[in-house]
Amino acid sequence: QITLKESGPTLVKPTQTLTLTCTFSGFSLTTSGVGVGWIRQPPGKALEWLALIYWDDDKRYSPSLKSRLTITKDTSKNQVVLTMTNMDPVDTATYYCTRNYGLGSLDPWGQGTLVTVSS
Amino acid sequence: DIQMTQSPSSLSASVGDRITITCRASQTITTYLNWYQQTPGKAPKLLISAASSLQSGVPSRFSGSGSGTDFTLTISSLQPEDFATYYCQQSYSSPWTFGQGTKVEIK
Repeated sequence: QITLKESGPTLVKPTQTLTLTCTFSGFSLTTSGVGVGWIRQPPGKALEWLALIYWDDDKRYSPSLKSRLTITKDTSKNQVVLTMTNMDPVDTATYYCTRNYGLGSLDPWGQGTLVTVSS
Repeated sequence: DIQMTQSPSSLSASVGDRITITCRASQTITTYLNWYQQTPGKAPKLLISAASSLQSGVPSRFSGSGSGTDFTLTISSLQPEDFATYYCQQSYSSPWTFGQGTKVEIK
């Protein structure tokens, strides 16, 4: 069974850096073609793709957020970490991690973690 | 970035109805198109990959079609558990992008 779970702070202040960890099981991030990505969803709004890291350490970012995002992996711990700098209230959202496989399908997803940006 | 446009943004339907949701890409994405279902408070769930490949465990009343720039998701006979928001997503080129969602509500 493949599972992913997001962890990190639920509340951050404006200008702070957010660090989120995705801990997964049931697959390996050393397997060719596999990746782990992050997607967010502001309350009541649509999904927004943020970043993706592949088994070979290839990294992709949303162009609009690229300057603020960093994605890394620790294959020994089965974890992927996303950092987002200079947080703003508009970054308030539920953040999901998901396995990226095949032709870019996202499955399954973690349960999500709501991050609120407020002073 | 490739823009994904879904229509309609919302629709009201009854149990047993056949519904179709459309997704249009701003450029060709061949069949690199996935569909997700999201119920309130839950994470999205992959329904269909590669435009028409039904995921294991997904009821056969769901189907997907299309290629190039125009795609459809069809539910042949709407069930109570199908009332949700549906998203398309392209994986043809990075960054992956989603449609704005289609909310299916009970009439």
